[in-house]
Amino acid sequence: TQLLEQSPQFLSIQEGENLTVYCNSSSVFSSLQWYRQEPGEGPVLLVTVVTGGEVKKLKRLTFQFGDARKDSSLHITAAQPGDTGLYLCAGATGNQFYFGTGTSLTVIP
Amino acid sequence: KAGVTQTPRYLIKTRGQQVTLSCSPISGHRSVSWYQQTPGQGLQFLFEYFSETQRNKGNFPGRFSGRQFSNSRSEMNVSTLELGDSALYLCASSLWGPPNYGYTFGSGTRLTVV
Repeated sequence: TQLLEQSPQFLSIQEGENLTVYCNSSSVFSSLQWYRQEPGEGPVLLVTVVTGGEVKKLKRLTFQFGDARKDSSLHITAAQPGDTGLYLCAGATGNQFYFGTGTSLTVIP
Repeated sequence: KAGVTQTPRYLIKTRGQQVTLSCSPISGHRSVSWYQQTPGQGLQFLFEYFSETQRNKGNFPGRFSGRQFSNSRSEMNVSTLELGDSALYLCASSLWGPPNYGYTFGSGTRLTVV
């Protein structure tokens, strides 16, 4: 049973397009993180959000934590081939992180 | 600073054998967590060690075990390997661990059981 569901599971877009990835749960999290993983490597932490309604921007990436701290979204503006990878959300509850099911993004030049 | 080092990177074992994987966390980090990643199940939490004590454990059988040494280096062991144990095993280092501190992951050990 996955605590965090991500959608879409797969996404293939042209360079320059915008996209949004969603991370949803029925559980409340004390913090939520987003990671990007490239083939053959471990995930790399992109951002941590801790306050309901919080919005963080990292260049072309915008992360939002839901008001109720149960969901999050990642929006990428003007996607580039370098954005290609597996995007994972991870929610913290208790003393453990639970990872989402992942969204595999391919940006075509 | 040096990142998280996992050894070996690749491993091929036969069913029934046992295997030990190693992880050296970032210097000063006291929390080490282990995850199993497969295409079908995603990242599944195995266990977390903090200052040589197992602090959290996931829902894996007793064949999966781990330990942490006084220098924070950690090992995980899988005994009586099964085909379904084939996966990427990831070690994650953190200063104090969840929920307030994120992970720095190693590149993983790719285990193939034949």
